[in-house]
Amino acid sequence: GAVVSQHPSWVICKSGTSVKIECRSLDFQATTMFWYRQFPKQSLMLMATSNEGSKATYEQGVEKDKFLINHASLTLSTLTVTSAHPEDSSFYICSALHGGTAYEQYFGPGTRLTVT
Amino acid sequence: DAKTTQPPSMDCAEGRAANLPCNHSTISGNEYVYWYRQIHSQGPQYIIHGLKNNETNEMASLIITEDRKSSTLILPHATLRDTAVYYCIVRVAKGGSEKLVFGKGTKLTVNP
Repeated sequence: GAVVSQHPSWVICKSGTSVKIECRSLDFQATTMFWYRQFPKQSLMLMATSNEGSKATYEQGVEKDKFLINHASLTLSTLTVTSAHPEDSSFYICSALHGGTAYEQYFGPGTRLTVT
Repeated sequence: DAKTTQPPSMDCAEGRAANLPCNHSTISGNEYVYWYRQIHSQGPQYIIHGLKNNETNEMASLIITEDRKSSTLILPHATLRDTAVYYCIVRVAKGGSEKLVFGKGTKLTVNP
């Protein structure tokens, strides 16, 4: 099946610094990728839709200047958490839309971010 | 996209079939039913999807009622590794919003 990777798998950073998370589709091209956030014991919450070569579309309540998304190629999207604060600590998950006949999303393994 | 309702939790004995229900009474004619699962601290995994016919793959079977207002995901021989949160989502497959809106899902615990 289609594989999506994320890097890093976990990261600890200090408050006020920025962190970049990469999402790659390894064996297919994805014009559309999605970024989700998941707090403990809660469901996934969609943050933004990332389209290759164009600006990301953010969900209501998600600060686009704080969560910078870049989808520079058909296999790579990045999420940068700028000026991170402890409340940004969460599990960040990306997915890539496979445009084949099944048309489903494949998810990465997630990145655990801890801001101290 | 239509909303779904799932029981918050279920238990199943190892080796037995696990039947996970989902209600989607407001589903539209062009919306598919998708099932994903999330094992603790991992990304969600696609299981199966269908429109109106029953579907089966190597992981599970999907039974959709004739009126399409509900469906059941069947894991025929549950194993301990099937313990996860299972999400039922309805959405348009193409031409509409490609977003997946996750509800709270059903936490399935498979017991030895």
